[in-house]
Amino acid sequence: DIQMTQSPSTLSASVGDRVTITCRASQSISNWLAWYQQKPGKAPNLLIYKASTLEGGVPSRFSGSGSGTEFTLTISSLQPDDFATYYCQHYNSYSRTFGQGTKVEIK
Amino acid sequence: QVQLVQSGAEVKVPGASVKVSCKASGYLFDNYYIHWVRQAPGHDFEWMGIINPRGGGTNYAQKFQGRITLTSDTYTSTVYMELRSLISEDTALYYCARDFPMVAAGKGWFDPWGQGTLVTVSS
Repeated sequence: DIQMTQSPSTLSASVGDRVTITCRASQSISNWLAWYQQKPGKAPNLLIYKASTLEGGVPSRFSGSGSGTEFTLTISSLQPDDFATYYCQHYNSYSRTFGQGTKVEIK
Repeated sequence: QVQLVQSGAEVKVPGASVKVSCKASGYLFDNYYIHWVRQAPGHDFEWMGIINPRGGGTNYAQKFQGRITLTSDTYTSTVYMELRSLISEDTALYYCARDFPMVAAGKGWFDPWGQGTLVTVSS
């Protein structure tokens, strides 16, 4: 199975900060990567697919980049609603693996 | 709107079985595969299996082979996940999620997810 490794596991930041989360795949996955946001007690919500395509309704401060084995999720200016946990996920096969998650906390 | 609504929390004793439902609405049920994943406390998301509601074809994670069964009911637009021989390590939040887009035929991203069902296994 393809392993997905996210870093950091926790990130402390302030409103207005630029935040970057990294996701690495154990082998090339082309651009078959999605990013999700999860808030406490809620199901994950799709942010980005195909590594860099923003889901409809997601604020433009979110962006994704990368291909092959290294990917990033960037929040250009952190807002109060963005404090949550973020997960990457590879697809393009029936089985899936997720990154371990990055919790974005208030500094 | 497109929605997946799951059944309520369950408490089971070790060795029992649990069956969680996932009712779809807002789209053509037959056209999209449904995945099941779980999130145990302190653990990563774990993919469990997938079902094609059109025809009922399934694919399961090796870890759950022999213990899991996914079924679908096209008349009620509902998918079911049954997990047998429960142990304490099966305590987790269980989610269904729609595979998207339709052309991905089970190899797309998840959108949307159900709200999750907490299954607690305890004696």
